[in-house]
Amino acid sequence: DVKVTQSSRYLVKRTGEKVFLECVQDMDHENMFWYRQDPGLGLRLIYFSYDVKMKEKGDIPEGYSVSREKKERFSLILESASTNQTSMYLCASSAVESNYEQYFGPGTRLTVT
Amino acid sequence: AQRVTQPEKLLSVFKGAPVELKCNYSYSGSPELFWYVQYSRQRLQLLLRHISRESIKGFTADLNKGETSFHLKKPFAQEEDSAMYYCALRGSHSGGYQKVTFGTGTKLQVIP
Repeated sequence: DVKVTQSSRYLVKRTGEKVFLECVQDMDHENMFWYRQDPGLGLRLIYFSYDVKMKEKGDIPEGYSVSREKKERFSLILESASTNQTSMYLCASSAVESNYEQYFGPGTRLTVT
Repeated sequence: AQRVTQPEKLLSVFKGAPVELKCNYSYSGSPELFWYVQYSRQRLQLLLRHISRESIKGFTADLNKGETSFHLKKPFAQEEDSAMYYCALRGSHSGGYQKVTFGTGTKLQVIP
């Protein structure tokens, strides 16, 4: 059973702080994704990674960066948090062996004040 | 560019009534389409994909390439179907890697 875990369920940060969101998967999936989920806007892809140290911009990468030093871990970094980054952040992983089904983490609700 | 459109934000139906959640897509190649579901306080999970051509929890979806649609249907709604439903498309990124685009979601509310 695939498990995708995220470091925090709830996080409150101040404007301008550097924020790290971590995601870990235990099924050796090559692909990992970061989305933000907002009411009325659905899931929007921030970044994805198809291999260690590789990353690709998604649809809304501005204000974010990512790091993938190990296959199982994909980190999302908010260099200087702003109030418009208050959102639910979802991590997902997938692999060709599972026909690219995306397995999601429980999400991190980030509030920037 | 790839795009997924779900025109309804909220769909309310009575228990036992038929359900159709609409999804239209835009993609120049051969897409792979999915429906994901998120029940209250649960994580997002796959419901079904077009290549499987199977029925899950009574739901079916047929890919219509002519109309570029992948509508989700169920003949008789159940209260436990109340959830948020997302249509998703997997296509090729500019670098040849896989990219998944989600729609904005439709909240299905089944009224007892």
